Amino acid sequence: DAKTTQPPSMDCAEGRAANLPCNHSTISGNEYVYWYRQIHSQGPQYIIHGLKNNETNEMASLIITEDRKSSTLILPHATLRDTAVYYCIVRVFGGTSYGKLTFGQGTILTVHP
Amino acid sequence: DGGITQSPKYLFRKEGQNVTLSCEQNLNHDAMYWYRQDPGQGLRLIYYSQIVNDFQKGDIAEGYSVSREKKESFPLTVTSAQKNPTAFYLCASSKGDTTDTQYFGPGTRLTVL
Repeated sequence: DAKTTQPPSMDCAEGRAANLPCNHSTISGNEYVYWYRQIHSQGPQYIIHGLKNNETNEMASLIITEDRKSSTLILPHATLRDTAVYYCIVRVFGGTSYGKLTFGQGTILTVHP
Repeated sequence: DGGITQSPKYLFRKEGQNVTLSCEQNLNHDAMYWYRQDPGQGLRLIYYSQIVNDFQKGDIAEGYSVSREKKESFPLTVTSAQKNPTAFYLCASSKGDTTDTQYFGPGTRLTVL
């Protein structure tokens, strides 16, 4: 699975959009981009995933660049409850990587009033 | 309410004792996983199961055992052979389709005294 690079921490004001970047310059054509978040002492929560098109769901939007070497997770109106560690993961289903989600250090997002 | 349950949330054991962590899901998912998380670290895969009565070792299977007798259940036993068992244990499940989105339980924090 491709390696990802995320900033260690970011701040965001409540009610504003939070834009979390992720670099994955070695991504392969069949690798998906996944985003999870983990609030302290809880299990990771799935947010969104995509292959090459931009995606949106009730939680967030995922913008993937045309060359697929980077992506941005957008939380449109951040709340205090969005304070968490956000993980960007790229992976392909099957083969030797089956079942393994490789969580890096992630980005600690702090939403403040 | 569909989801993944893990019990108990906190577990204390004496060194040298085996302990079994419970994981149940009612999402009708075929695949189930066990991860371990140490403070400030990402998740590491212990075992996974793609189908009932079958399971595979992950990256750090030594000192652990699992069973998959029912689709809904995937218990993890931490044996006395595991050198550093104190950790946060997370169970996940997925449909097992090509995008393989994994959904996590709330976790069990095991402390071995």
